[in-house]
Amino acid sequence: GENVEQHPSTLSVQEGDSAVIKCTYSDSASNYFPWYKQELGKGPQLIIDIRSNVGEKKDQRIAVTLNKTAKHFSLHITETQPEDSAVYFCAASIRTGFQKLVFGTGTRLLVSP
Amino acid sequence: GAVVSQHPSWVICKSGTSVKIECRSLDFQATTMFWYRQFPKQSLMLMATSNEGSKATYEQGVEKDKFLINHASLTLSTLTVTSAHPEDSSFYICSARADRNTEAFFGQGTRLTVV
Repeated sequence: GENVEQHPSTLSVQEGDSAVIKCTYSDSASNYFPWYKQELGKGPQLIIDIRSNVGEKKDQRIAVTLNKTAKHFSLHITETQPEDSAVYFCAASIRTGFQKLVFGTGTRLLVSP
Repeated sequence: GAVVSQHPSWVICKSGTSVKIECRSLDFQATTMFWYRQFPKQSLMLMATSNEGSKATYEQGVEKDKFLINHASLTLSTLTVTSAHPEDSSFYICSARADRNTEAFFGQGTRLTVV
């Protein structure tokens, strides 16, 4: 089955710096890669996603890149703000059948003012 | 995005009792709902997938007789933790999607503490 690895587990940056979180997946059949932000005591919230027919996607300060050959994808947050502090999860799934999401282990991002 | 609501947000129960958690899609009809468990500082682990009107499909290692899932309508799925034990204490999260071509939206989670 699919296995998703995520690095780093914790990331501390200064406000205004960029943050990069990387994930690798094992199943070459996976074709959907969402990123979620989870604040303490809350459920995950989708912040951006990318499909395998696209190499890069951007939404304001957030961007995701996908390298299908290497089977890895990354989340880039620019001009970080304290409210970006949260746990971020990457996930992968196959867009057929039940489309089960397999989550990475999470990255705790701390943005210091 | 679409709204998925879980109830309760938190619950404390005694060992040996059963607890029911509800997951509702408020503004769309959810053909599929997913139930996850998340231990502190860990990732989300899928427990089961349920399609409206049919039996849930459980992941390997998840006891279907202990974690009863009912998806009787297109807007409601329930997870019942039967004969709860302290090791069942966790954060339970549901997600729901309208169909295969739409995203799954997550509820806010339910923190279960078994004492």
